[in-house]
Amino acid sequence: QVQLQESGPGLVKPSQTLSLTCTLSGASITSDPYYWSWVRQPAGKGLEWVGRVHTRGNTNYNPSLKSRVTISLDTSRDQFSLNLSSVTAADTAVYYCARGSYGRKDFYYYYYMDVWGKGTTVTVSS
Amino acid sequence: QSVLTQPPSVSAAPGQRVTISCSGSSFNIGKNYISWYQQLPGTAPKLLIYDNNKRPSGIPDRFSGSKSGTSATLGITGLQTGDEADYYCGTWDSSVSAGGIFGTGTKVTVL
Repeated sequence: QVQLQESGPGLVKPSQTLSLTCTLSGASITSDPYYWSWVRQPAGKGLEWVGRVHTRGNTNYNPSLKSRVTISLDTSRDQFSLNLSSVTAADTAVYYCARGSYGRKDFYYYYYMDVWGKGTTVTVSS
Repeated sequence: QSVLTQPPSVSAAPGQRVTISCSGSSFNIGKNYISWYQQLPGTAPKLLIYDNNKRPSGIPDRFSGSKSGTSATLGITGLQTGDEADYYCGTWDSSVSAGGIFGTGTKVTVL
């Protein structure tokens, strides 16, 4: 059974870099062409797409976060990571990692996330 | 970045049917497939519908999806107390600000 698990500090100081890791179990991160994605959710609010990294390493980021976000793969450990720099209180949220399927058929693109981690809460505070 | 618009809440009695709308634009819903997610309180989102109307294995056929133009709809029939959750639509936005986008979310309450 494919599972994802987030890990990382629960508390980050303002202006520092938030770093999270997502570990895949039950499969190899390179076995199929997925987009390994990050989504966050501030308390009481909706979902916000953060970005994704393809099995081959190419990335896409939320334009509103692009200048501060880096998502990368560690294929030797079946992990992918999120780095978000210069954080403020507005970055306080539950961060989820997810497996995304993306492609094009019948002239339309599809992108959906079918496996999710349980989420990890990150608080930005001094 | 674009956002998809959903009603904040819908409600119905057990056994009834509810529908949740998701409105977007020609750059997202109008151009790409829609997915729907269920988020039970305190848990991670769960994929309910993908490719507009397909259900992953294990999702009951009480859940259905449809799309027309720049809008999509999630339907839930035979409403159960266990369906009380937040529901989000999602898709890819193909505008200049390309990326994944989600709807604003809808809280389903079983009366």
